[in-house]
Amino acid sequence: AQRVTQPEKLLSVFKGAPVELKCNYSYSGSPELFWYVQYSRQRLQLLLRHISRESIKGFTADLNKGETSFHLKKPFAQEEDSAMYYCALKFGGATNKLIFGTGTLLAVQP
Amino acid sequence: DAGVIQSPRHEVTEMGQEVTLRCKPISGHDYLFWYRQTMMRGLELLIYFNNNVPIDDSGMPEDRFSAKMPNASFSTLKIQPSEPRDSAVYFCASSGASGGVGTDTQYFGPGTRLTVL
Repeated sequence: AQRVTQPEKLLSVFKGAPVELKCNYSYSGSPELFWYVQYSRQRLQLLLRHISRESIKGFTADLNKGETSFHLKKPFAQEEDSAMYYCALKFGGATNKLIFGTGTLLAVQP
Repeated sequence: DAGVIQSPRHEVTEMGQEVTLRCKPISGHDYLFWYRQTMMRGLELLIYFNNNVPIDDSGMPEDRFSAKMPNASFSTLKIQPSEPRDSAVYFCASSGASGGVGTDTQYFGPGTRLTVL
């Protein structure tokens, strides 16, 4: 069955420390993976997608099919990175349906 | 564009009452999604529509929940009768056509925080 696992509900780091938010998926097809972010008092929004291979706000994520992972990384955390982060898996075919993980709250301490 | 619009933003009701949540998607979007967010289960997809037609309602928890999309600019999620365990934040999201990179990005509304006493 298709599933997205984010093992950490809360990740607390100090400003300037590296960040890695873990995401593992289970999917038999060719996956498309995304990270969505929800800042305080803002709407949930797309952060990045693996196909684009881009860095957004200093964050990157590499799809590792061997380990079925799509971890989100940033070398130096900033206080404004504090937010809820959701990893999402898109089903294949002609659908925009996403399965979200349970989310990880990132708290960056000053 | 104001983005996806949801109303009400907050709803407090008593157990047994009917609750109706409303959503206006972004104009031109083909897909509309309803999600429920809780601390324990995160973001769960309840149902989604494509061109106003319900495609997958497997996430709807039980018969007390129903959703409609009478036209391209309006959708409702109804809970009747409501129960305390329905308390959550309900999000609506919309996206464009599938297949293109970027067109499938889901745009979320601000959510409706539902409290059932």
